Amino acid sequence: GAVVSQHPSWVICKSGTSVKIECRSLDFQATTMFWYRQFPKQSLMLMATSNEGSKATYEQGVEKDKFLINHASLTLSTLTVTSAHPEDSSFYICSAPRLVNTGELFFGEGSRLTVL
Amino acid sequence: GQSLEQPSEVTAVEGAIVQINCTYQTSGFYGLSWYQQHDGGAPTFLSYNALDGLEETGRFSSFLSRSDSYGYLLLQELQMKDSASYFCVLEGSQGNLIFGKGTKLSVKP
Repeated sequence: GAVVSQHPSWVICKSGTSVKIECRSLDFQATTMFWYRQFPKQSLMLMATSNEGSKATYEQGVEKDKFLINHASLTLSTLTVTSAHPEDSSFYICSAPRLVNTGELFFGEGSRLTVL
Repeated sequence: GQSLEQPSEVTAVEGAIVQINCTYQTSGFYGLSWYQQHDGGAPTFLSYNALDGLEETGRFSSFLSRSDSYGYLLLQELQMKDSASYFCVLEGSQGNLIFGKGTKLSVKP
């Protein structure tokens, strides 16, 4: 079964509103979670690394104030897309490593955001 | 800097063997992973190499050569369901992740 759960799986919102996406590790604690964005027909792009109890680390070119990440517990990280616009429409995926240095990441099911 | 290069597209026929290469430039890393992603789905883990050599998992194998700065994913006895994107991920020595841009594999009958 799934070890990383993401919610919601899809969401449609109006331009200017904010959307929150949750990523949960189900049977393990994750001090680190990763957030990605993927546009149609394109590769996965790492947006940020979410660290439990501290600030997220954002990749170059990703707006911190636009994509708010909170890792409040060892099993939950949230990504909030603030003041969403149509160009933010994308597939957002999270992942977490269950064991350190095994190279194995478990991915959530993904959340498809459509901004009208 | 750190970067990964892999071919953008590969086409092969059912039953064939295909190798997807991943070359990298980095000063140090823990290991190289491979993931499969079907259209519209989440990536799934295939294989991981921390040491040089071949790791075999059924029809899929992965290879790493640190001295040559490259790795590859080998898919044998190709099936139509193997049509997907495959990407390599480097686990950096600072705990960072570097993603390849993915290789779209198309398997033809």
